[in-house]
Amino acid sequence: AQSVTQPDIHITVSEGASLELRCNYSYGATPYLFWYVQSPGQGLQLLLKYFSGDTLVQGIKGFEAEFKRSQSSFNLRKPSVHWSDAAEYFCAVGAGSGSARQLTFGSGTQLTVLP
Amino acid sequence: DGGITQSPKYLFRKEGQNVTLSCEQNLNHDAMYWYRQDPGQGLRLIYYSQIVNDFQKGDIAEGYSVSREKKESFPLTVTSAQKNPTAFYLCASSPMTSGQVFTQYFGPGTRLTVL
Repeated sequence: AQSVTQPDIHITVSEGASLELRCNYSYGATPYLFWYVQSPGQGLQLLLKYFSGDTLVQGIKGFEAEFKRSQSSFNLRKPSVHWSDAAEYFCAVGAGSGSARQLTFGSGTQLTVLP
Repeated sequence: DGGITQSPKYLFRKEGQNVTLSCEQNLNHDAMYWYRQDPGQGLRLIYYSQIVNDFQKGDIAEGYSVSREKKESFPLTVTSAQKNPTAFYLCASSPMTSGQVFTQYFGPGTRLTVL
């Protein structure tokens, strides 16, 4: 079965600093990978996704992620963090076929941004 | 505007009561999902449906029930059999097209509290 690990429960960065959130997945085939962001009390918003092709994918809000098959990783990056980026971030892997298609989510990384 | 709506935003339940959470989408998506979110545990799949009048159990279906009588609607009932229902509930939908496979779009959520 597929699984997703986000090793960092909580990360604190200063505004303007660079950011990298880690995500490792376990899945036997080529994965479909996603990053979502959630503000407090809100639903999840899709930041970006990887299906195939270029391993560096660009998303909304200036985020990007790189798929590294050899490391089973899909880390999220942003060169300069803004205070509005404070939120919880979830990595997910899509697996299954037909009626069994599902997303499996990591447990999330809470991002705090210091002024 | 196309999107997913969930109502109510906040819901309070007394012990022994059944309550129903509403989820409606006007995105013309075939698949719909219900997740439960508890602090520090990410999202756990309750039920999902990929076609009208058909649905499948997710990882934590016990104590919950759903129906899918219309493509745009996927209500979730939290029954009295669910012993610890206090949580944040998220509804999502997904198109079944090849370019969007596994991509899920989320509603704003319903916070259920047992009194």
